[in-house]
Amino acid sequence: NAGVTQTPKFRILKIGQSMTLQCTQDMNHNYMYWYRQDPGMGLKLIYYSVGAGITDKGEVPNGYNVSRSTTEDFPLRLELAAPSQTSVYFCAAMGQPNTEAFFGQGTRLTVV
Amino acid sequence: GENVEQHPSTLSVQEGDSAVIKCTYSDSASNYFPWYKQELGKRPQLIIDIRSNVGEKKDQRIAVTLNKTAKHFSLHITETQPEDSAVYFCAASGFGAAGNKLTFGGGTRVLVKP
Repeated sequence: NAGVTQTPKFRILKIGQSMTLQCTQDMNHNYMYWYRQDPGMGLKLIYYSVGAGITDKGEVPNGYNVSRSTTEDFPLRLELAAPSQTSVYFCAAMGQPNTEAFFGQGTRLTVV
Repeated sequence: GENVEQHPSTLSVQEGDSAVIKCTYSDSASNYFPWYKQELGKRPQLIIDIRSNVGEKKDQRIAVTLNKTAKHFSLHITETQPEDSAVYFCAASGFGAAGNKLTFGGGTRVLVKP
């Protein structure tokens, strides 16, 4: 039982490039979240989802897109990467409303 | 949408002393308030939570209190130890258009000095 797995762990992108951050979970949890954590800062919600086919924006959605075609996977797409998107990205999964959210190990992204 | 404010941003305490972190939230519909601990370079992990129908909850050296009227909640750590050094996040959970939405505060970096 791996929990929440994110790939890659590290990535350097050039300005204007695109990439997809992968997140998969084997807990059959309906709720999934993407957060970004800037150095010394808190966790800001980018997008979240209650299940396959249902997503909604969080606090900082601009420059990102998500899809949720299966319960297991919740990829985050960056189009036209910008230096402001340099951050650590965390994916999380929650089984039932108002219960523990399990986080992946994070993806450290640098845009140069 | 929900806004969660957390204070202080840094907290330095002597080993054995108590530490208190305070959070306020804006959405009166929020009904679940977890606290997460993040050690350096690691992922956040849940340490304690409280629901809106409870005023206080305790688990060994940590406790959380909730004042729904004032829309604030606090984390209390007693008899602090060096392993309590970490970043602590409060969060508030309510329902958005796509279901359960979990919003975090800005974090408090706690340093316990031996």
